Amino acid sequence: EVQLVESGGGLVQPGGSLRLSCAASGFTFTTSGMSWVRQAPGKGLEWVSYISATSSNINNADSVKGRFTISRDNAKNSLYLQMNSLRDEDTALYYCARSYSGIYYGAFAYWGQGTLVTVSS
Amino acid sequence: EIVLTQSPDFQSVIPKEKVTITCRASQSIGSSLQWYQQKPDQSPKLVIKYASQSIPGVPPRFSGSGSGTDFTLTINSLEAEDAATYYCQQSSSLPWTFGQGTKVEIK
Repeated sequence: EVQLVESGGGLVQPGGSLRLSCAASGFTFTTSGMSWVRQAPGKGLEWVSYISATSSNINNADSVKGRFTISRDNAKNSLYLQMNSLRDEDTALYYCARSYSGIYYGAFAYWGQGTLVTVSS
Repeated sequence: EIVLTQSPDFQSVIPKEKVTITCRASQSIGSSLQWYQQKPDQSPKLVIKYASQSIPGVPPRFSGSGSGTDFTLTINSLEAEDAATYYCQQSSSLPWTFGQGTKVEIK
């Protein structure tokens, strides 16, 4: 069974930093592209970052470029999101999502339950 | 950035009725369009990929169609468990974007 378990969320002041983690199991993590997708309270979904299986391809939404860094440790079956210079508008539930394989890598096949990040003074 | 516009924003439907949700892209995206179902307090679930391709484990009453700029998600014979918000998402070009969502309520 595919499992994605996010952690690391919490309350942080504007300008602060936070590191999210996603522990993956039940599938071959080392061959799977992964993304972070967020959802502000009561709002829709927003793709944040993508990293390919070997970390050779990384893409970020303009809203987080220069502030967020996606990474992974295939030896630990883990995905990360380093979030710096946090803003009020970054407040959201952050989901870890596994990409479909091959040409469908832009489709999110499985999602975790999310970890809540609240940016507030 | 490709903008996806869904219609309607909200739909109230009686069980066993057919539901149709549309998603229009601001430019052609071929067939690179997914549909997700999100029930209250749950994470999203993929129900259709690449416009019309079914997903294992998803009931066959869910189907998708369309290409280019206009897409449709159809739920045949709606069941109570289908009450959710449905989102379309394009993977044709970065940044990947989502529609604003369509909430389906059971009457």
